Amino acid sequence: DAKTTQPPSMDCAEGRAANLPCNHSTISGNEYVYWYRQIHSQGPQYIIHGLKNNETNEMASLIITEDRKSSTLILPHATLRDTAVYYCIVRGYGQNFVFGPGTRLSVLP
Amino acid sequence: GAGVSQSPSNKVTEKGKDVELRCDPISGHTALYWYRQSLGQGLEFLIYFQGNSAPDKSGLPSDRFSAERTGGSVSTLTIQRTQQEDSAVYLCASSRLPSGGGGADTQYFGPGTRLTVL
Repeated sequence: DAKTTQPPSMDCAEGRAANLPCNHSTISGNEYVYWYRQIHSQGPQYIIHGLKNNETNEMASLIITEDRKSSTLILPHATLRDTAVYYCIVRGYGQNFVFGPGTRLSVLP
Repeated sequence: GAGVSQSPSNKVTEKGKDVELRCDPISGHTALYWYRQSLGQGLEFLIYFQGNSAPDKSGLPSDRFSAERTGGSVSTLTIQRTQQEDSAVYLCASSRLPSGGGGADTQYFGPGTRLTVL
């Protein structure tokens, strides 16, 4: 079973920031938070991951709360091509990735 | 560099036939995973190969499913006597393991093989 809870769907206006929340209240100390996305008919694409510090890369930012029980993926300037299902996954090193239903993000023109 | 590749991209077969799906992982990646995704569903873990260790087959749904990884690189997933419920997209992923932690085992996915059993 997935260790995370995400809203089933969200809308975001093109050009605005998309903030996708994820709850992982049972996360343990050695487990990382990973984000992937899946655009229709494609394989999942890695976005970002983190342990406890906030992370940023060319795709997104990951904000993890101090108690690590929740996190937010931020797409700073969403485009229509960011429309996808976004998966938040908690896993320890070497464990399997368990994908839940994710959040279906629709970026609207 | 080259990503994970899978072939064929689409496979249509008749119920009862055997099929083989192929995965070429990223060069140098020691871990290889197979998942399947039914229409509108999340990813279902099937099997995991790590180096020369015995594979983790805990996700295989029945004994009609098997997989092998030759030479620590290419993998084939075989489904015998296919059934209509086997219709799904079969996804392969690889990761760099075993060195390091965190990012070293980030999984990178291929485009998948869409299997349709008539």
